[in-house]
Amino acid sequence: EDQVTQSPEALRLQEGESSSLNCSYTVSGLRGLFWYRQDPGKGPEFLFTLYSAGEEKEKERLKATLTKKESFLHITAPKPEDSATYLCAVYSGGYQKVTFGTGTKLQVIP
Amino acid sequence: EAQVTQNPRYLITVTGKKLTVTCSQNMNHEYMSWYRQDPGLGLRQIYYSMNVEVTDKGDVPEGYKVSRKEKRNFPLILESPSPNQTSLYFCASSTTGVEQYFGPGTRLTVT
Repeated sequence: EDQVTQSPEALRLQEGESSSLNCSYTVSGLRGLFWYRQDPGKGPEFLFTLYSAGEEKEKERLKATLTKKESFLHITAPKPEDSATYLCAVYSGGYQKVTFGTGTKLQVIP
Repeated sequence: EAQVTQNPRYLITVTGKKLTVTCSQNMNHEYMSWYRQDPGLGLRQIYYSMNVEVTDKGDVPEGYKVSRKEKRNFPLILESPSPNQTSLYFCASSTTGVEQYFGPGTRLTVT
């Protein structure tokens, strides 16, 4: 059974204070790892897909990296508008079956 | 505008009363999926569909049914809802299942 664990559960940062969110996974044959952002009362919004260890993707203040056991979402100089819950998910084995982590709730204080 | 729509957005019902939550996408996506989101458990996949008339179970299919008779629609059916199906439900669509577009969610309460 695929497992995805995200840490920390919640993170509070001052504006401009860089940090990283962690997503560790146990899957049988990783086909892809996703990061999504979810704002309160809304559906998740796609951020990145990573396919192989060593791959990196960037978007504005966010950078996602992947190793064979975990992924990191680095947030550089965050702004209050980056406050959201960040979800990690993997798809593996069975075609298009996706397993999500429980998310990290990020709060950026002005 | 490319979007996934769900209806209703909020629903309060009673145990055993059959209900359907509709999902529609206007992006001509082959792949559609249903999830439920519960505190502490995250998003869990209920069913997914690779194309018309092709559906498969996710992690938590018990108590749910789906059908895919048209490419744009993927309704979620609860034949006999129970209180443990109280949750926030999301529909999603994608060309390949990789980059999924999520709907706004349906908050269901079963009393």
